[in-house]
Amino acid sequence: QKEVEQNSGPLSVPEGAIASLNCTYSDRGSQSFFWYRQYSGKSPELIMFIYSNGDKEDGRFTAQLNKASQYVSLLIRDSQPSDSATYLCAVKLSENNNDMRFGAGTRLTVKP
Amino acid sequence: DAGVTQSPTHLIKTRGQQVTLRCSPKSGHDTVSWYQQALGQGPQFIFQYYEEEERQRGNFPDRFSGHQFPNYSSELNVNALLLGDSALYLCASSLSRTNRDTQYFGPGTRLTVL
Repeated sequence: QKEVEQNSGPLSVPEGAIASLNCTYSDRGSQSFFWYRQYSGKSPELIMFIYSNGDKEDGRFTAQLNKASQYVSLLIRDSQPSDSATYLCAVKLSENNNDMRFGAGTRLTVKP
Repeated sequence: DAGVTQSPTHLIKTRGQQVTLRCSPKSGHDTVSWYQQALGQGPQFIFQYYEEEERQRGNFPDRFSGHQFPNYSSELNVNALLLGDSALYLCASSLSRTNRDTQYFGPGTRLTVL
């Protein structure tokens, strides 16, 4: 089992729709969870981080964390063509472990 | 506010050669992590430097080594290059005392090994 798993996609949604991206992780001791956006040929850009169970909203983005089920998700409301990118889920394994593990990413396409 | 910078942007080397990549962290950050990202994959952790020492290392061979300078900038060295070392090398910086390790990436160095 991979430490951080994401559906590779591609996920295609129409402009204005809600895009839902999911991520599961294997280490129950994981402390911190991050979502990065990566445009083709560019480096990852931090979108959101979440540390506690529940929802965290920032503009059109909402991160959801459920530690009991070991999953974290990212919702993008009112999706725009400029949101088309690969979304990487990253997990910091534990308090004293500085090794951050990434999923392979989900490719999102928002169609006009 | 200066972000993370990396140099060079692109590099082409041949098998067996050695390469040095450089990174300057975001202003105010003291910790530098290096990642290798192969095409179609997520970044893989190479190692992290803090207080001029390697604090943690991922599953990479000894051919990969690094250094952190007193000004927090860092270098990644790769010896005896293999074709499989071709990848995007990413540097990420963070502030250690937050202990949450929110990392910000630089633009990366694209390494091609022929």
